Amino acid sequence: QLQLQESGPGLVKASETLSLTCTVSGDSIDSSNYYWGWVRQPPGKGLVWIGTIYYSGSTYYNPSLESRVTMSVDTSKNQFSLRLSSVTAADTAVYYCARLPLGYCISTSCYPVYFDDWGQGTLVTVSS
Amino acid sequence: EIVMTQSPAILSVSPGERASLFCRASQNVRTNLAWYQQKPGQAPRLLIYAASTRATGIPARFSGSGSGTDFALTISSLQSEDFAVYFCQQYDNWPPEYTFGQGTSLEIK
Repeated sequence: QLQLQESGPGLVKASETLSLTCTVSGDSIDSSNYYWGWVRQPPGKGLVWIGTIYYSGSTYYNPSLESRVTMSVDTSKNQFSLRLSSVTAADTAVYYCARLPLGYCISTSCYPVYFDDWGQGTLVTVSS
Repeated sequence: EIVMTQSPAILSVSPGERASLFCRASQNVRTNLAWYQQKPGQAPRLLIYAASTRATGIPARFSGSGSGTDFALTISSLQSEDFAVYFCQQYDNWPPEYTFGQGTSLEIK
């Protein structure tokens, strides 16, 4: 049974860096069949993809957040992490980590698709 | 960016009735579309992927259809546990730039 658990401070000051970690259990983060990602949801609003990472460290970020986002993976701890710099009140949201299976393949490359398992989410509030 | 537009924003349906939710993409996403259900205080749950394939453990009353730019999620006979918010998501572009619809709130009539 796959479980993903987000952890990190629930309160971050404006202009500082938000840091979250997702601990994966029930599966190995260095599985070649999956990517891992972050999605956020501002209170009462919709879902926004933040970024995606492979166990090799290969990353893809939402262009609207790319200048402030860094994701990393620690296979020894079966964890992956998110850092979002220079936060403002607009970054207040529930942050979810999730797993993405590899879906369609073109030639020798296969690509992550949808989010098939999610953590419970953690609320991060940015204070002024 | 591919913009996903869901309709209606709010849908009121009686238990036991059929509900149809819609999602339109701003450009062709083929069948690279997923549907999620989200209940208050919970994470989203994958219902449908590849436009029409039910995820593991999803009841048969949930069905997805469509391709290209127009998609639908149908719930054939609403149960009390189905009242929730539903989101669509496209995953057609590479490098990935996943985008979600704004959601449809399915409410008890």
